[in-house]
Amino acid sequence: GAGVSQSPSNKVTEKGKDVELRCDPISGHTALYWYRQSLGQGLEFLIYFQGNSAPDKSGLPSDRFSAERTGGSVSTLTIQRTQQEDSAVYLCASRRGPNTEAFFGQGTRLTVV
Amino acid sequence: ELKVEQNPLFLSMQEGKNYTIYCNYSTTSDRLYWYRQDPGKSLESLFVLLSNGAVKQEGRLMASLDTKARLSTLHITAAVHDLSATYFCAVEAGGTSYGKLTFGQGTILTVHP
Repeated sequence: GAGVSQSPSNKVTEKGKDVELRCDPISGHTALYWYRQSLGQGLEFLIYFQGNSAPDKSGLPSDRFSAERTGGSVSTLTIQRTQQEDSAVYLCASRRGPNTEAFFGQGTRLTVV
Repeated sequence: ELKVEQNPLFLSMQEGKNYTIYCNYSTTSDRLYWYRQDPGKSLESLFVLLSNGAVKQEGRLMASLDTKARLSTLHITAAVHDLSATYFCAVEAGGTSYGKLTFGQGTILTVHP
């Protein structure tokens, strides 16, 4: 498919475990974003990658959260020692660059029990 | 830090009526985007506004941008039930945060008979 792909679509994990969320952006898109959306809430910015520039990590809520983007394509968001407050839908988006619309994946619903 | 505020946050409309959703932002930008989110779904791009005075229309929705007032509006004409969704605006930052997208809180629109 030509859209942004995220996996897994659902993840249930025990408190204290680490999780990895994956995002496959649209081919050729240089910009990639991660957002978090809690139930009934807006989009909380987490991190932004643009080409080869250093990522904007200003939205990561704690040092338990990290993300990388390999080869300018696939991105992985890692949450270490998960807490119940980490439960949310994690959305990934990509776009060709500034001034263009971003396309969102279907999200990963993370539940920490 | 760029702040984006939408109002109202909740909007209950009668079919056939008109209404406007407002998106205010705190720092200079001439790039703004509107998205729609259906319950349990991801975000879908509606409009891309890239200059002062930009106006875009699609069906019963019309979006405009006033960069001097730091204000965008999403106008709904003769609402129908199918427009029920959550609507988000997103503002693209400049300067050192170039390309970063900051979202408003979202406006939950319900259209009833």
